[in-house]
Amino acid sequence: QVQLQESGPGLVKPSQTLSLTCTVSGGSISSGGYYWSWIRQHPGKGLEWIGYIYYSGSTYHNPSLKSRLSISLDTSKNQFSLKLSSVTAADTAVYYCARTHCPSTSCLLGRVDAFDIWGQGTMVTVSS
Amino acid sequence: QSALTQPASVSGSPGQSITISCTGTNSDSDVGGYNYVSWYQQHPGKAPKLMIYDVSNRPSGVSNRFSGSTSGNTASLTISGLQAEDEADYYCSSYTSSSLLYVFGTGTKVTVL
Repeated sequence: QVQLQESGPGLVKPSQTLSLTCTVSGGSISSGGYYWSWIRQHPGKGLEWIGYIYYSGSTYHNPSLKSRLSISLDTSKNQFSLKLSSVTAADTAVYYCARTHCPSTSCLLGRVDAFDIWGQGTMVTVSS
Repeated sequence: QSALTQPASVSGSPGQSITISCTGTNSDSDVGGYNYVSWYQQHPGKAPKLMIYDVSNRPSGVSNRFSGSTSGNTASLTISGLQAEDEADYYCSSYTSSSLLYVFGTGTKVTVL
C-alpha cells in the first residue's frame, strides 16, 4: 500500500526558502503512470495546486508560483521535494504531497486526472 | 483562471440525497472539455480523500452512495442515503488547458441535519 509522508520545518522566516520533502513508501516514484504533486491549503481556505513532477523529471507548475518554485525528485531515496523561495505570510498553509494519476495517453502531455493518495499534510508558518 | 465554482454549503437530513454542483469556465478548457473531473472529501484536520475520478468512477473502497456526472460545463456529485459521516467539505477539481493546468473548486460544506 502506497503511503506518502511530508517532512520539513514548520516555521520559516519571511524572505527565506521553504523546503519540504515527501517520502513515498510501498511503491516506486520511478514507475510510470503517476505524477507526484504538491498542493497547499491556506488556513480555513480551499485547495491550491502547486505543481507536479513525473519520474522523467518533467515538471509543471502553477504559474502564480512558477518564478519562486522548484520541484525535484530523488529516486534513490524515493522522495520528491518542494522549494519555494522568497516566502511571505501569504505562503502560510498546510502543504500536502499526493500521488497523481495520469491516463496512459496523456502522461507525457502533463495531463492528470486525480490525486489518488495524499500525505497527511504539514503546517508551514511564515513568520519572523 | 480562477477556481471552479461550487455552492458554499449544502445540507440534508439522514437518508436523503444531496447534489453538489461544480461549474467550470465558459469554455471547453476544463470541466466541459475533459473527462478529468475528480471529487475529494475532507474532514476537519484531515487530508482530502479521493471520492470520484474521471467524472463518475469510484476508487476501490468508496461507497456506491457517491456518484458523479457532468452536463455541459457543470459537474455534479450526488450523495445518496446521507449519513452523519458524510458531513465534511467537498472539493471538485479538473485538469485545464489554460496556463494554470490544474484547478480546484471553491469547496462545499456538507451538513447533515
